[in-house]
Amino acid sequence: QKEVEQNSGPLSVPEGAIASLNCTYSDRGSQSFFWYRQYSGKSPELIMFIYSNGDKEDGRFTAQLNKASQYVSLLIRDSQPSDSATYLCAVINTGGFKTIFGAGTRLFVKA
Amino acid sequence: DAGVIQSPRHEVTEMGQEVTLRCKPISGHNSLFWYRQTMMRGLELLIYFNNNVPIDDSGMPEDRFSAKMPNASFSTLKIQPSEPRDSAVYFCASSSPGTSGSVQFFGPGTRLTVL
Repeated sequence: QKEVEQNSGPLSVPEGAIASLNCTYSDRGSQSFFWYRQYSGKSPELIMFIYSNGDKEDGRFTAQLNKASQYVSLLIRDSQPSDSATYLCAVINTGGFKTIFGAGTRLFVKA
Repeated sequence: DAGVIQSPRHEVTEMGQEVTLRCKPISGHNSLFWYRQTMMRGLELLIYFNNNVPIDDSGMPEDRFSAKMPNASFSTLKIQPSEPRDSAVYFCASSSPGTSGSVQFFGPGTRLTVL
């Protein structure tokens, strides 16, 4: 089992729809969770981080964390073609030093 | 402020040659990470430093890879000898632990091609 698992996609949604990206992790002691966005040919950049169970909203983005289920998700409301990218889930492991990245989910938003 | 700076941006070399990748982290950041990204394996952590000290190098593929951080503002990743399977994009990232929980800031990457 991989430490951080994501569906590779591609996930295709129409413009204006909600895109839902999911991630599971294996280290039950993990405390910090991140979503990065990576455009083709570019480097990853942070979208959001979350530490506590529940939802965290930032503009069109909502991160959701469920530690009991070891599950973290990212919702993108009113999806735009400019949201088309690969979304990487990242988890800091128990001990707090090592960040483990998932393989990423490719998202396509169709105009 | 300048972000993480990497050089060169592109490197093409022949098998067997030595390759040195360079990174300047964001000023004030005390953690530095080297990653390798390929289509097949995704983003892999090779090594990370905290306060210039290597903390975990378990991701370094083999002895051909070495990394140094002689001071807080400079790090190198060296591959000697290079092989075609080393072809990938190599990212350097830095972070500063705090309320943002070790968010990492990535450099633009070095695209390495070994012929």
